[in-house]
Amino acid sequence: KAGVTQTPRYLIKTRGQQVTLSCSPISGHRSVSWYQQTPGQGLQFLFEYFSETQRNKGNFPGRFSGRQFSNSRSEMNVSTLELGDSALYLCASNRGTEKISPLHFGNGTRLTVT
Amino acid sequence: AQTVTQSQPEMSVQEAETVTLSCTYDTSESDYYLFWYKQPPSRQMILVIRQEAYKQQNATENRFSVNFQKAAKSFSLKISDSQLGDAAMYFCAYKTSGSRLTFGEGTQLTVNP
Repeated sequence: KAGVTQTPRYLIKTRGQQVTLSCSPISGHRSVSWYQQTPGQGLQFLFEYFSETQRNKGNFPGRFSGRQFSNSRSEMNVSTLELGDSALYLCASNRGTEKISPLHFGNGTRLTVT
Repeated sequence: AQTVTQSQPEMSVQEAETVTLSCTYDTSESDYYLFWYKQPPSRQMILVIRQEAYKQQNATENRFSVNFQKAAKSFSLKISDSQLGDAAMYFCAYKTSGSRLTFGEGTQLTVNP
């Protein structure tokens, strides 16, 4: 069974630009969530999508948005990039219907904003 | 708000020895789940072990086991017979429902040959 796939693996963008990251979950998984990982703030929850609806949202500004398609693939968009948005962005999937169901993570997208 | 604390930023262990990583959490919920993930240099977060709060029995997965003390809100990870491949950043995580995980700061584990 293929794991969670994130593309691209690396991105370099300039301040003020926008960026879109992609995540393909494990087949059969309907929940996709996104996390930001930085040395200073650690791992922080961005949002979760389940069956194309945002089910939960973290404490990030509106510049961070996402969506989920009918095949459960998800995209995350960051507009008006700031230097502080440089981070590893991790996507995770699970069935979304069982409390104990663990999250399966992808390899992440490393975003550098210059 | 729930918080997860890992008080050991770095730990080291000799190959074949045993090491314990500490984790404490704060919550007012009664129904929750705890996890340990490892993150090697490849960056992928890999599930090591999980524990349901309502279960008194400590979870075990091969060389990995936990000491879950619900009253003390403590969830430590014991790695027995440490191997070079165990070297990684280890994160303790908590969740209630949904897929929102709250992570600790992480513990960097070094395994010395």
